[in-house]
Amino acid sequence: DQQVKQNSPSLSVQEGRISILNCDYTNSMFDYFLWYKKYPAEGPTFLISISSIKDKNEDGRFTVFLNKSAKHLSLHIVPSQPGDSAVYFCAASARGTSYGKLTFGQGTILTVHP
Amino acid sequence: NAGVTQTPKFQVLKTGQSMTLQCAQDMNHNSMYWYRQDPGMGLRLIYYSASEGTTDKGEVPNGYNVSRLNKREFSLRLESAAPSQTSVYFCASSDLGLASGNEQFFGPGTRLTVL
Repeated sequence: DQQVKQNSPSLSVQEGRISILNCDYTNSMFDYFLWYKKYPAEGPTFLISISSIKDKNEDGRFTVFLNKSAKHLSLHIVPSQPGDSAVYFCAASARGTSYGKLTFGQGTILTVHP
Repeated sequence: NAGVTQTPKFQVLKTGQSMTLQCAQDMNHNSMYWYRQDPGMGLRLIYYSASEGTTDKGEVPNGYNVSRLNKREFSLRLESAAPSQTSVYFCASSDLGLASGNEQFFGPGTRLTVL
C-alpha cells in the first residue's frame, strides 16, 4: 500500500519557466511533509518542508503548497534552472510515529533544459 | 564536519555471502535510519534506531540486522545476501526526540550488487 504517491515519473521544463511537482498521500495521520532533492550518486538532501497547520511555505525559488482536504501537496520552482535537474522525493511523517519515520514517494525526475 | 558517512561506496557479493555496511554521523544526532532505494519504489525504511541502544524494524527488515554501536555509528548487516537485496542503501540521521517533523540528513549511499 503506497501511502505517498508521486504519479509523474518525470517532468521536463524550459529554463526560466515554472516546475510543478505533485504528491498525493492517503494516510490522514500525516502531519508533516518534506521535499528532498537527489543528484545521481549522491544522497538525498533536504529542500523544504511544511507542517499541516500551514498551507504554504516559501524558501527562495521553492514553494510548497499543502491541500489537506485533497491530501495533496505540490512543489513549485520558479524560475527553474538547469542545476535543478534532479530526482525529487516527497516524504511524510505522522504525529505519534516513533521517532520521525518518513514515508517516501517514488520520486519524480525533473529535467530543466537550457 | 563530514555529516553522514558510509562505507563502502560500492560492493559486489555472491549469493549467500555476508557483509556489513557501515554508517557514522558527526552531528550528535540521536536517531539513525537505514533505507534502500530501488527503481520506481522511492526510499523504503529497513531499520531505525531512536537512540543509542535501541533498534526497531521498518518497512522492509527481512534479511537484515542492525547494530547501534554507539551514538555515532549504526551498521547494517546482510547475513546471507540474495539477489533481491541488490539496491542502493542510504543511512540517515536526525535530531529527534518524540516529535515528528525534523528533517533527516543522508549519507552518499552504498551501491550493492548481489550476483
